[in-house]
Amino acid sequence: NAGVTQTPKFQVLKTGQSMTLQCAQDMNHNSMYWYRQDPGMGLRLIYYSASEGTTDKGEVPNGYNVSRLNKREFSLRLESAAPSQTSVYFCASSADRVYQPQHFGDGTRLSIL
Amino acid sequence: QKEVEQNSGPLSVPEGAIASLNCTYSDRGSQSFFWYRQYSGKSPELIMFIYSNGDKEDGRFTAQLNKASQYVSLLIRDSQPSDSATYLCAVSPPNQAGTALIFGKGTTLSVSS
Repeated sequence: NAGVTQTPKFQVLKTGQSMTLQCAQDMNHNSMYWYRQDPGMGLRLIYYSASEGTTDKGEVPNGYNVSRLNKREFSLRLESAAPSQTSVYFCASSADRVYQPQHFGDGTRLSIL
Repeated sequence: QKEVEQNSGPLSVPEGAIASLNCTYSDRGSQSFFWYRQYSGKSPELIMFIYSNGDKEDGRFTAQLNKASQYVSLLIRDSQPSDSATYLCAVSPPNQAGTALIFGKGTTLSVSS
């Protein structure tokens, strides 16, 4: 059981470069999420997709875009990376947005120089 | 503003003792409550969920919910060094609120042998 798979696991970018973080889940979940986690800041929601075909901003959406490609896949794009976006990024999924628990991928460690 | 508050710790307990982790939340309409464990450098892992007032037990873990007082707690009996981790409390928003689970910043637990 793969659960939630994130790629890549590690990435180093230069300021101004763009990249897309990929996330796929095999649990037939309706809702998917992108978080970033920084020391002392906890998990902060970037964007979420309550169901296929919808996306909504979370707490810290600036500098990011997302695409819900299909029910399984939810990608996060950094168009012009900035050092402030150095973080650990987690993708998660859940059967629904409110009542069911979220299941997390292993994370992507992103460093922007 | 919806908030979930946890004492950051560290909470230090000796091996075999009971560890008590607490979480308060601000929104009376919250319906679902979750505890996650996060080891250093790893992703959050669901360990307990509770929906109704009272206690819910699973092995060495007991979740306690008091909606009137707006707190949820996690008790870990017979604490082991392997329980040393950061514990995240997550609370659902009311269904009509367009957002996702709200996470606390976590309590770091250290179990000494």
